[in-house]
Amino acid sequence: GENVEQHPSTLSVQEGDSAVIKCTYSDSASNYFPWYKQELGKRPQLIIDIRSNVGEKKDQRIAVTLNKTAKHFSLHITETQPEDSAVYFCAASPGGTSYGKLTFGQGTILTVHP
Amino acid sequence: DAGVTQSPTHLIKTRGQQVTLRCSPKSGHDTVSWYQQALGQGPQFIFQYYEEEERQRGNFPDRFSGHQFPNYSSELNVNALLLGDSALYLCASTLDRGNTIYFGEGSWLTVV
Repeated sequence: GENVEQHPSTLSVQEGDSAVIKCTYSDSASNYFPWYKQELGKRPQLIIDIRSNVGEKKDQRIAVTLNKTAKHFSLHITETQPEDSAVYFCAASPGGTSYGKLTFGQGTILTVHP
Repeated sequence: DAGVTQSPTHLIKTRGQQVTLRCSPKSGHDTVSWYQQALGQGPQFIFQYYEEEERQRGNFPDRFSGHQFPNYSSELNVNALLLGDSALYLCASTLDRGNTIYFGEGSWLTVV
């Protein structure tokens, strides 16, 4: 089955700096890669996603890049703010009838210091 | 437009008991998946329902079972509860094959 590795497990930055979180996946059948932000005691909230036919996607301060050949994808947050502090999870899902079976990474605890 | 709704939000059960958790998918969504999230870990896929059938299953024992109703809502049942079943149970919904997946707020289950 799919295996998703996420690094780093913790990330501490100063407000205004950039943050980068990296994930690798093992199953070449995976074609959907969402990123979720989870605050303490709350549900995972989708912040950005990318599909395998796209190499990069950007939404304001957040961007995701995908390298299908190397089987890795990354989350980039620019101009970080204290409210960006949370746990971030990457995930991967295959397509077809297996779509929606998300395999998650271990999570990254992001702390943005004012 | 209501998002994914789950009930109950919190519950406490005793070892050996049975529990039923409920989920209503986002309006227009027909596919429901359930995940278990233990403290400090990422969500783990339990199973997925589509057209009232279990379509995919993760690595969970048969004590975990589910159901999907004609209105696409779903239930997760766990029998013979163990202490290790204590977790946040998340429901996720999507429109079949290729659309954004949204999570509900979850049901916090504590087994004592």
